Amino acid sequence: KNEVEQSPQNLTAQEGEFITINCSYSVGISALHWLQQHPGGGIVSLFMLSSGKKKHGRLIATINIQEKHSSLHITASHPRDSAVYICAVRGRSGGSNYKLTFGKGTLLTVNP
Amino acid sequence: DAGITQSPRHKVTETGTPVTLRCHQTENHRYMYWYRQDPGHGLRLIHYSYGVKDTDKGEVSDGYSVSRSKTEDFLLTLESATSSQTSVYFCAISESHWGPDQPQHFGDGTRLSIL
Repeated sequence: KNEVEQSPQNLTAQEGEFITINCSYSVGISALHWLQQHPGGGIVSLFMLSSGKKKHGRLIATINIQEKHSSLHITASHPRDSAVYICAVRGRSGGSNYKLTFGKGTLLTVNP
Repeated sequence: DAGITQSPRHKVTETGTPVTLRCHQTENHRYMYWYRQDPGHGLRLIHYSYGVKDTDKGEVSDGYSVSRSKTEDFLLTLESATSSQTSVYFCAISESHWGPDQPQHFGDGTRLSIL
């Protein structure tokens, strides 16, 4: 079973700061997901990636397959970015390995 | 947004009663999932479905059953609810398991309290 560790667990920032959230996993994967969950809200998929880097607006996600590590960056953070950010990995195809394994999430609070 | 509706959104019930949660999708996606979310844990898979009448267990399936008689509906049943099943339940859908670019789209969740 893949173990997914996120750091930090909690992060408080001032508006405008550059944010980095990290995700490490233990076993080879076919894809990694970053998800966002606002307080009391649903879960939204931000990125899926299997290599390299993806960018959407102020959000950037990177992955290093060799090091089994991914980062989610938020540039020019804003209070509306306050949410729980969740990393999830999918094992390689075959057997039960294609199911998603989720990290516990990182609670980000951005103060004005 | 993906067309996923969970019902009810909130429910309070007593230990020992049966409870059924419904997930309805309008996307015609083949795969549907039920997760639970608890403090100190990541989302954990309860059951999933890979087609009508085709279901399989996840990592925390004890005490839960599911049914999928139509593509659009996936039901999660707690036959005799226990306090340990107090949780937030999320339904998710995806077009396919396979391939790296298959997102899961989530419903808004059902908050279930068992007293």
